[in-house]
Amino acid sequence: ETGVTQTPRHLVMGMTNKKSLKCEQHLGHNAMYWYKQSAKKPLELMFVYNFKEQTENNSVPSRFSPECPNSSHLFLHLHTLQPEDSALYLCASSQAGLAAYNEQFFGPGTRLTVL
Amino acid sequence: GEDVEQSLFLSVREGDSSVINCTYTDSSSTYLYWYKQEPGAGLQLLTYIFSNMDMKQDQRLTVLLNKKDKHLSLRIADTQTGDSAIYFCAEDTGKLIFGQGTTLQVKP
Repeated sequence: ETGVTQTPRHLVMGMTNKKSLKCEQHLGHNAMYWYKQSAKKPLELMFVYNFKEQTENNSVPSRFSPECPNSSHLFLHLHTLQPEDSALYLCASSQAGLAAYNEQFFGPGTRLTVL
Repeated sequence: GEDVEQSLFLSVREGDSSVINCTYTDSSSTYLYWYKQEPGAGLQLLTYIFSNMDMKQDQRLTVLLNKKDKHLSLRIADTQTGDSAIYFCAEDTGKLIFGQGTTLQVKP
């Protein structure tokens, strides 16, 4: 257990569905991240939040909409996704945000399949 | 640009040493990290090295850093079947840039 939980662990959705991924960290961290992990590709940073403010959007399509209501919770709202969006979506948190020593603690991920 | 490269696959026999290599491009990286991902799990930090160090040893793990060549390696001594996983190196340029991961297969 890393102190970062993600729900659901698996999600299958059609291209017209709307769904949300949830991440919660119990570590008292002030930065949270969404990553996309596709087979045989580097981990792609999608969004970064520091103290609930979005500080990085890595050119992510608008069909992915993040929300960070407080420093412990992070959501990723999904709508009208494409089959190529099927991947493992990882949430992470850290103490320092995008500065200095940056050990990130990862959740187990949500395996998303878009039909 | 920022880029981290790793070989995709390594197979070793139980008890042998494993060496996983990584190259990175940003010479201003402050820290370099090795993460491990087991099946069905997220990434877990294994070890890290500060950019002004050449070597760091932590039990069975040895990290070597060659800043001139921008080359990082992770050596696992006495590799066990429980070490089978995907290993990611990452450079810290203010944000973490990950390689594509090396799958380590340990044969009994």
